[in-house]
Amino acid sequence: NAGVTQTPKFQVLKTGQSMTLQCAQDMNHEYMSWYRQDPGMGLRLIHYSVGAGITDQGEVPNGYNVSRSTTEDFPLRLLSAAPSQTSVYFCASSRDRALGNTIYFGEGSWLTVV
Amino acid sequence: QQPVQSPQAVILREGEDAVINCSSSKALYSVHWYRQKHGEAPVFLMILLKGGEQKGHDKISASFNEKKQQSSLYLTASQLSYSGTYFCGTEMRKRDDKIIFGKGTRLHILP
Repeated sequence: NAGVTQTPKFQVLKTGQSMTLQCAQDMNHEYMSWYRQDPGMGLRLIHYSVGAGITDQGEVPNGYNVSRSTTEDFPLRLLSAAPSQTSVYFCASSRDRALGNTIYFGEGSWLTVV
Repeated sequence: QQPVQSPQAVILREGEDAVINCSSSKALYSVHWYRQKHGEAPVFLMILLKGGEQKGHDKISASFNEKKQQSSLYLTASQLSYSGTYFCGTEMRKRDDKIIFGKGTRLHILP
């Protein structure tokens, strides 16, 4: 079972470049989300989706775009990378938003913007 | 509204007990607890729902005080494998689409 798969695991970008972090899950989960993790800040919600075709903003959405064309995939796009976006990014999924459902995290993507 | 976790860090000797607290300024419907090892993804521990009972497995348990908008995670007779950062995540209402996590509590167990 692959679970939640994120690619790439490591990436270095130059300021102003764009890139997409890929996230795929094979558990047929309706709910997917992206978090970023910075030292001392915990996990902060960027965007989330409750199903294909539906996305919404989390706590820190600025500078990021998402789309959900299929149940399986939830890519995160950085339109013009900034050093402040240097972080570890986690994609997560759960069966749906009914109470009591476990959130499964991917292994993380380490992004450095120089 | 990001929940507040305390303490920020704890150092214990193997076999000692620890309590990690999570509090919110808003009414909570559920509290999630996760543990993260360095360089790894967070891993689910348990979920406590409003009106639910205290939960636990092995020597890790948690409580949820709805009136005080607080949850506590109890680690009894800590083992070396308990080291890591513990996060609480909160939902404000039933079927909330957002789970907001606290900043984490770093737990280090010494042999």
